[in-house]
Amino acid sequence: GAVVSQHPSWVICKSGTSVKIECRSLDFQATTMFWYRQFPKQSLMLMATSNEGSKATYEQGVEKDKFLINHASLTLSTLTVTSAHPEDSSFYICSAKNPGVKDVDTQYFGPGTRLTVL
Amino acid sequence: GENVEQHPSTLSVQEGDSAVIKCTYSDSASNYFPWYKQELGKRPQLIIDIRSNVGEKKDQRIAVTLNKTAKHFSLHITETQPEDSAVYFCAAKPGFQKLVFGTGTRLLVSP
Repeated sequence: GAVVSQHPSWVICKSGTSVKIECRSLDFQATTMFWYRQFPKQSLMLMATSNEGSKATYEQGVEKDKFLINHASLTLSTLTVTSAHPEDSSFYICSAKNPGVKDVDTQYFGPGTRLTVL
Repeated sequence: GENVEQHPSTLSVQEGDSAVIKCTYSDSASNYFPWYKQELGKRPQLIIDIRSNVGEKKDQRIAVTLNKTAKHFSLHITETQPEDSAVYFCAAKPGFQKLVFGTGTRLLVSP
């Protein structure tokens, strides 16, 4: 299979604090992981592409100093929302590609993390 | 860059009817077109995908068709069931670039 997990599944924090979200590939090694943000009743918007051992590639309009991404191993990528504000409240979803399968384009999504900033 | 449009935004059908969701894309270099189903508060799940070298693909009640000339692809669900109710997203991927998602279709299947 290709299972991707995320932790935590939900988090509530105060404005100004930082929150770390973990994304793990459980049964495969993922050299590339993706971080998406999804606001209510909207589509998935790619925030950044996380590459193991190198700097993440951020999409236009996404502040790299606010959304820190670390992909230190082949099974773990983390997204840290720094100095969170209420407008950062959203559903954050990661995905990963499994290079070990025939269909390398398929992305497997994590269960998502619902962030609420008070 | 790639732009994907999806229609309709909402679709209501009676159980047993067919449902069709359509997407258009702009980048002729796109060669991978997946469809995802997302239930409320859950992860998107891949239900079917198609590549540009294939015109149609079917998996039980679900089928996808691709028209490269017109740059559009469609999801067909036959014999719909209440558990098919969800939000469906199409996506397109040009070569080695990122996956671009459509705006989503909320499908409601009434018993």
